[in-house]
Amino acid sequence: KNEVEQSPQNLTAQEGEFITINCSYSVGISALHWLQQHPGGGIVSLFMLSSGKKKHGRLIATINIQEKHSSLHITASHPRDSAVYICAVDGATNKLIFGTGTLLAVQP
Amino acid sequence: DAGITQSPRHKVTETGTPVTLRCHQTENHRYMYWYRQDPGHGLRLIHYSYGVKDTDKGEVSDGYSVSRSKTEDFLLTLESATSSQTSVYFCAIKTDTNYGYTFGSGTRLTVV
Repeated sequence: KNEVEQSPQNLTAQEGEFITINCSYSVGISALHWLQQHPGGGIVSLFMLSSGKKKHGRLIATINIQEKHSSLHITASHPRDSAVYICAVDGATNKLIFGTGTLLAVQP
Repeated sequence: DAGITQSPRHKVTETGTPVTLRCHQTENHRYMYWYRQDPGHGLRLIHYSYGVKDTDKGEVSDGYSVSRSKTEDFLLTLESATSSQTSVYFCAIKTDTNYGYTFGSGTRLTVV
């Protein structure tokens, strides 16, 4: 079993829809990260969370430390949000453990 | 923002030749990482560094070596490139910003 599990693996949405991507982890962490990668592109850090909730524009990330679960929400989705979203956790070893990613396609 | 540069961005090389990829940071962050990204495998750690001359292996280190003689540079060397090392390579630094990590733009390496 992977230490970081993401769901769904693939997601297709219509423009304007509210999107949720989930991440569960089984190890102790100091922080959880959400990353974004557009097709053929680089990797961008969206959020680093150790508790609670963060918001940046239309993106919201939450974490529940007790349940070892995090969600990434996208409100009013747009085709430019189409990308792979990767959850990663930072444990005690200063090395990230990555989920397998969620491929999001937002159709106009 | 932490500055991080990877070079080259693209490279095609022949099997058996040595290849060195460079990761350069403009600040003095302690931790630097090399990953490879392949379809179906996601990001996998090759080697990382926690200081000058301090490096350690990741989960896919066979066939790779690294060096860090200066804080700002972390080099990844394929001593004798093989086709299985065709991949996209990403460097990353661990920063003290609100985002935690900054990734380089990637190097697309093709071994023919």
